[in-house]
Amino acid sequence: EVQLVESGGGLVQPGGSLRLSCAASGFTFSTYWMHWVRQVPGKGLVWVSCIKVDGSTTYADSVKGRFTISRDNAKNTLYLQMNSLRAEDTAVYYCARGGYISAFDIWGQGTLVTVSS
Amino acid sequence: QSALTQPPSASGSPGQSVTISCTGTSSDVGDYNYVSWYQQHPGKAPKLMIYEVSKRPSGVPDRFSGSKSGNTASLTVSGLQAEDEADYYCSSYAASNNYVFGTGTKVTVL
Repeated sequence: EVQLVESGGGLVQPGGSLRLSCAASGFTFSTYWMHWVRQVPGKGLVWVSCIKVDGSTTYADSVKGRFTISRDNAKNTLYLQMNSLRAEDTAVYYCARGGYISAFDIWGQGTLVTVSS
Repeated sequence: QSALTQPPSASGSPGQSVTISCTGTSSDVGDYNYVSWYQQHPGKAPKLMIYEVSKRPSGVPDRFSGSKSGNTASLTVSGLQAEDEADYYCSSYAASNNYVFGTGTKVTVL
């Protein structure tokens, strides 16, 4: 079964750091672009970051310079290192597979990040 | 990158059709045939329903169809069923490996 499972969310103080993980299974992880998408509870989806097969990365302007996406193909795992966290980063963070060229075809269940003092 | 514009809500009776619009710019929707649509039920992860404007992934009913004209894409759900009640989001590729989502539309089956 094709599956993505996020972990690492939780409560963190403003200015703090957190690393999210996304464990992939059921497909050849190394051959897909991977993304992080976030959603403030009750609000819409927002694309956060993408990492291509060759390891090159892109970020939304709102997280550029603070977040770092990475992947470990040997462990079939995607990461999101989040630094200098702000209250507005509070959201459910989903990892998603980039399938069908520029679509997000498989999603994890999400992990909640709360930035609050 | 500004969010794509969708109507906040849409509704229809069982068996009827509902169409949701998704308006972007010439830098995203208008420039690429990489518009996709997602269905999200409360408390659940989004599910891909349409990719590349009008293609359906395996397992998605053919009641769901997509189209695009200029800077506006559309999703039509025909033969509405109770389980179609959900939030729907469009998304578009937006150059330099950036992506943008729509504001979301809540579909109610009356």
